[in-house]
Amino acid sequence: DVVLTQTPPTLSATIGQSVSISCRSSQSLLHSNGNTYLHWLLQRPGQSPQLLIYSVSRLESGVPNRFSGSGSGTDFTLKISGVEAEDLGVYYCVQGTHAPWTFGGGTKLELK
Amino acid sequence: VQLVESGGGLVQPGKSLKLSCSASGFTFSSYGMHWIRQAPGKGLDWVAYISSSSGTVYADAVKGRFTISRDNAKNTLYLQLNSLKSEDTAIYYCARKFFDYWGQGVMVTVSS
Repeated sequence: DVVLTQTPPTLSATIGQSVSISCRSSQSLLHSNGNTYLHWLLQRPGQSPQLLIYSVSRLESGVPNRFSGSGSGTDFTLKISGVEAEDLGVYYCVQGTHAPWTFGGGTKLELK
Repeated sequence: VQLVESGGGLVQPGKSLKLSCSASGFTFSSYGMHWIRQAPGKGLDWVAYISSSSGTVYADAVKGRFTISRDNAKNTLYLQLNSLKSEDTAIYYCARKFFDYWGQGVMVTVSS
């Protein structure tokens, strides 16, 4: 199975600060069809997860454009350009290129 | 789009439970669907997937014990949980194929 390693496990930020989260895969997530099925989710406290970014860099409808995703192959990054209070929670990467689907361990974003 | 899980509860080890996920607001039969779980205080753990044509994939931890199914006439996704273990205690979420919509989750507690 594909292992996704997220770093850091915890991230402390001030409002307005820009931060990045890394997601590294144990194997390339480039599918034979040319797509890369690496997505980013946010789970706010007490809520269900929500999709932020799909297929590496595509912003889900309704998600603020301070969120961006980049990467290829085995290395991926989620960037928040100017953290806001509503961004606090746990961020997960998830891959769907290779069955079974797998999630990263999560990165908790806290206020400093 | 709305996904609503039901059927959770407290069950003894070795017993069975069947979860349901009622879908509305989209053409349910056209979408693959996932079950994902989250143990108390832990990260997201992918459980199973069923395609629009009813092909299935399972996580190793549940293979042979859990069965995912769907009834397109009732717009409902199911997860049959057999031979339950304490480590199956978690909130169970259903989600659409690309994780763009999630239910609110249903709690399953396995304890004697």
